[in-house]
Amino acid sequence: AQKVTQAQTEISVVEKEDVTLDCVYETRDTTYYLFWYKQPPSGELVFLIRRNSFDEQNEISGRYSWNFQKSTSSFNFTITASQVVDSAVYFCALSEARQSGSRLTFGEGTQLTVNP
Amino acid sequence: KAGVTQTPRYLIKTRGQQVTLSCSPISGHRSVSWYQQTPGQGLQFLFEYFSETQRNKGNFPGRFSGRQFSNSRSEMNVSTLELGDSALYLCASSLVGGGSSGNTIYFGEGSWLTVV
Repeated sequence: AQKVTQAQTEISVVEKEDVTLDCVYETRDTTYYLFWYKQPPSGELVFLIRRNSFDEQNEISGRYSWNFQKSTSSFNFTITASQVVDSAVYFCALSEARQSGSRLTFGEGTQLTVNP
Repeated sequence: KAGVTQTPRYLIKTRGQQVTLSCSPISGHRSVSWYQQTPGQGLQFLFEYFSETQRNKGNFPGRFSGRQFSNSRSEMNVSTLELGDSALYLCASSLVGGGSSGNTIYFGEGSWLTVV
């Protein structure tokens, strides 16, 4: 069965520090999709990135970057020069291609607090 | 382009009552899925609808049900409410197959349900 683990429950940093959120996943499927979402206190899950299992190219988007490594089943997320507005809960999620339709398995989430 | 819209945003119900939550997906999206978020269990998949048919179902009792209309709008219903049903209920929409086809899954702001 699929599983996503975010070992870091809470992270607290000072503004402008870099921070990396860890995500480790388990799946028996050879084709799968990984997601990162941000959840501010309002509750909405804001989509950040989707990565396909067959595309290991890492990506940088502004202050965000992602490191996908199939060999270690990890999909880590880094925020460079963190800002107070980055404070939120971040979720890593997995969807397997062998399942019909869409069904996300989420990690436990990491509460990120960026202090001024 | 409007995002995923959920109503109501907040509601309080009494044990034993039933509740109906509504979700309007992003225009053009045909897949709608529902998730329950609680502090203890995290984010859990409830079910997914596509073209008015339930395509996927999570491990929830039969008190939780849903439906999808021809315009892709969806409702979920919880009957005989229990205190443990207090949660944030999130609706998500995707173009066709969601995660299994690599489509991005977008979430609404959620409906906060409190059962007293």
